[in-house]
Amino acid sequence: DTAVSQTPKYLVTQMGNDKSIKCEQNLGHDTMYWYKQDSKKFLKIMFSYNNKELIINETVPNRFSPKSPDKAHLNLHINSLELGDSAVYFCASSQGLQETQYFGPGTRLLVL
Amino acid sequence: AQSVTQPDIHITVSEGASLELRCNYSYGATPYLFWYVQSPGQGLQLLLKYFSGDTLVQGIKGFEAEFKRSQSSFNLRKPSVHWSDAAEYFCAVTPVSGGYNKLIFGAGTRLAVHP
Repeated sequence: DTAVSQTPKYLVTQMGNDKSIKCEQNLGHDTMYWYKQDSKKFLKIMFSYNNKELIINETVPNRFSPKSPDKAHLNLHINSLELGDSAVYFCASSQGLQETQYFGPGTRLLVL
Repeated sequence: AQSVTQPDIHITVSEGASLELRCNYSYGATPYLFWYVQSPGQGLQLLLKYFSGDTLVQGIKGFEAEFKRSQSSFNLRKPSVHWSDAAEYFCAVTPVSGGYNKLIFGAGTRLAVHP
């Protein structure tokens, strides 16, 4: 059973489009995260939700909007996609704010 | 500001040789420390973590890491590398206090293994 899953695994789209990436965890965790990994493999946190409440919002363009319908899901919607948004986006979850984070397989986004 | 430095961008070792990947952090207090591995095209897998206690921690796949407070280091080691260990290795830290569990990653070290 996959603990943290993401859909889609690959996403190729045109500049200006709007797209969503979904994340689900079946670990019973109450905290979820989105990280971005750029072309140089550098990983940086974007958002974190604890019990459906936004607690971390790094310096991310407001074209990116996370949504957490329940504790098991954290989706990422991106408006007006730009070339620079091409990256791998990782979802993660943890039980509580100080515990180990477990990562999903990543969504590889390519904006043409 | 908190930061994590992995001085070696790329390391190549022969299969069966020992391995040490370096990690230094900059933070006001001892943070929680982690090593993750990313195989090509895959997600991140936790190798090991240090929260407190014994400064030598054992992880999966035969890896271990030693926390040295005086050097602000958390180096990853393996006595005998296998070809399947070829991957990208990330050191990460998170603050102990503050209520925010924000992983700060190093730039990663790419490990290549020669047969």
